[in-house]
Amino acid sequence: QSVLTQPPSVSAAPGQKVTISCSGSSSNIGNNYVSWYQQLPGTAPKLLIYDNNKRPSGIPDRFSGSKSGTSATLGITGLQTGDEADYYCGTWDSSLSAEGVFGTGTKVTVL
Amino acid sequence: EVQLVESGGGLVQPGGSLRLSCAASGFTFSSYWMSWVRQAPGKGLEWVANIKQDGSEKYYVDSVKGRFTISRDNAKNSLYLQMNSLRAEDTAVYYCAREGIFCSGGSCLDYWGQGTLVTVSS
Repeated sequence: QSVLTQPPSVSAAPGQKVTISCSGSSSNIGNNYVSWYQQLPGTAPKLLIYDNNKRPSGIPDRFSGSKSGTSATLGITGLQTGDEADYYCGTWDSSLSAEGVFGTGTKVTVL
Repeated sequence: EVQLVESGGGLVQPGGSLRLSCAASGFTFSSYWMSWVRQAPGKGLEWVANIKQDGSEKYYVDSVKGRFTISRDNAKNSLYLQMNSLRAEDTAVYYCAREGIFCSGGSCLDYWGQGTLVTVSS
């Protein structure tokens, strides 16, 4: 099961802002960089944010990331209908069983 | 253009085996860590395994240790996942993904394939 906890869903009207939290522990978020992924319906995930707050080329600045302690946050401003998707945080867990980990996922609904 | 194309999925009985392949193109395959990630129907993402550029380091999620083996052939620009002793709970879409070379750490996957469906059922 996922060791990173996200809210199951968030929603807002077009043009508004949403934030998605990702809660972990010292073995994962607390000591590693966080990435965020967007998965549109029926498609493969896409990297949105890496190294906590950096955007790959082509990702609009409406998407932002931050990290504090053992939690991370994804922000989406100027919400668009095309942003309706599932969002996942991800990082490495440096515990005894070193492995990659993802969050539980958050469904963003544009009202 | 970076492309990752998975193949080898299908229907297999519990206890059976399957070998997934991922053909990479558009980048220098031997320079990147590579990963497998799966997604059960209607569920979230689950990281499965990854492998270092030269194959000298491999990591697995606990639930597949001893059953799955990740490997690569840099001469063929290909990534593999050998899956043995398959269980119903292994049913998922399996994605091949590239670890971003620009990432400072923490496992960031910058390119993904379209996925291949593995169904374990009698």
